[in-house]
Amino acid sequence: GDSVTQMEGPVTLSEEAFLTINCTYTATGYPSLFWYVQYPGEGLQLLLKATKADDKGSNKGFEATYRKETTSFHLEKGSVQVSDSAVYFCALSDNYGQNFVFGPGTRLSVLP
Amino acid sequence: NAGVTQTPKFRVLKTGQSMTLLCAQDMNHEYMYWYRQDPGMGLRLIHYSVGEGTTAKGEVPDGYNVSRLKKQNFLLGLESAAPSQTSVYFCASSYLAPPSDTQYFGPGTRLTVL
Repeated sequence: GDSVTQMEGPVTLSEEAFLTINCTYTATGYPSLFWYVQYPGEGLQLLLKATKADDKGSNKGFEATYRKETTSFHLEKGSVQVSDSAVYFCALSDNYGQNFVFGPGTRLSVLP
Repeated sequence: NAGVTQTPKFRVLKTGQSMTLLCAQDMNHEYMYWYRQDPGMGLRLIHYSVGEGTTAKGEVPDGYNVSRLKKQNFLLGLESAAPSQTSVYFCASSYLAPPSDTQYFGPGTRLTVL
C-alpha cells in the first residue's frame, strides 16, 4: 500500500538556521502531497500542498517541490524562527478523498 | 464560526467500557474523517464519511463504529474499549475531497484505556 517516510527527529536548530525535513513516498498512481504542522496542544493545520509533479507548494516561508523522479517532497525554510517549533507531517492522498496517508511526523525545536 | 470541535478533550476508560466521541463542524462540509495518532506512527484513518448518512472504513477500522446522522456531526464509538485503543483521536472535515479542498482538524481527544 501507499506509504510516507520522514526523517527521524527531533530536529533542533538555532534561530535563523536553514531547515530541511526529508519526505519520500511510495504510491500507486499520481498522489497529491501535503505538509501539515501541529503546534503543541492543537490539531493539524495544512502548511502547503502540491498536486502534480514539479509543483512547488509554499506558505509562511516554507517550500516543498513535488519530485516524481525521486518520489520526494522535502520541506525547506531559509531562516527558522522560535515560533516554527512544532511537529511537521508529510502526507499523501489519492484524488478521491478515500486514501490519506500520513508520515510519522518530525519534531522541530528552534532555540533562540 | 467554531470550525471543528471535539468532545470530550480527555477521557479515561477501563477495559471493556464503551464510549462515544463527538465531532461537530459548522462549515457545511460534506467530508468528515476520524484519525488516531500514535507515537512514531503519524495519523491513521479509522473511518470517514462523504456525506450525511454515509460512512466507510479507513485503514484501521476494527473495534470502532461511526455514524453520520446529521451533516454537521460525526460520531466515533468504542463498544468495548481495549488498551490498544489508547491514543489521541482527531476529527477532520472538508467541503470537497482532498486535494481539491483542505482538511480542517479538531483539537483532538486524548483517550486512555486502562
